[in-house]
Amino acid sequence: DGGITQSPKYLFRKEGQNVTLSCEQNLNHDAMYWYRQDPGQGLRLIYYSQIVNDFQKGDIAEGYSVSREKKESFPLTVTSAQKNPTAFYLCASSIIPTGYNSPLHFGNGTRLTVT
Amino acid sequence: DAKTTQPNSMESNEEEPVHLPCNHSTISGTDYIHWYRQLPSQGPEYVIHGLTSNVNNRMASLAIAEDRKSSTLILHRATLRDAAVYYCILRGSQGNLIFGKGTKLSVKP
Repeated sequence: DGGITQSPKYLFRKEGQNVTLSCEQNLNHDAMYWYRQDPGQGLRLIYYSQIVNDFQKGDIAEGYSVSREKKESFPLTVTSAQKNPTAFYLCASSIIPTGYNSPLHFGNGTRLTVT
Repeated sequence: DAKTTQPNSMESNEEEPVHLPCNHSTISGTDYIHWYRQLPSQGPEYVIHGLTSNVNNRMASLAIAEDRKSSTLILHRATLRDAAVYYCILRGSQGNLIFGKGTKLSVKP
């Protein structure tokens, strides 16, 4: 079955450490996205990529970095510069980068806790 | 990007229809109206989308006002599995989606 895989489901880190969240899709989608969700809130866009080797900052990119070396992979690194890294992180993809009518497919998220 | 306004929460009885409203008075002509829903500790799930005409699929129906300033997601017979947070979102030229807080739907047996 095609889909988006995020791993791990739960991640624990000490403050000051960088951590990389994995996102893999086998849907052959061009566009991929990273969102962050805090308790009781909607999703906020961190980074998105419309094509391999290219990506753009979203609304809250500070303290995060991404890479898009392969079409199917879009890892997110939460750096020590991110002031409040504890959150639920969601990866998504869509078939057409700027297609207004193409839905996003989401993974089941990674819950990161930094202490 | 245009914003949407939804009630914070709604309640429904099982097997009854549910109408979830959404206001988007600043919608532009090229914005599509998307609906997603999210269960606790899961990623959002696509429900339906439309531009001007009403839309139906196996999950729900989407009724869009003639002036496009509001829309309604219709679940024809609510089940306990429909209890979730429902997001109404406008998808415009940037391609990404801007999520608000959504409507938390509770379904009573």
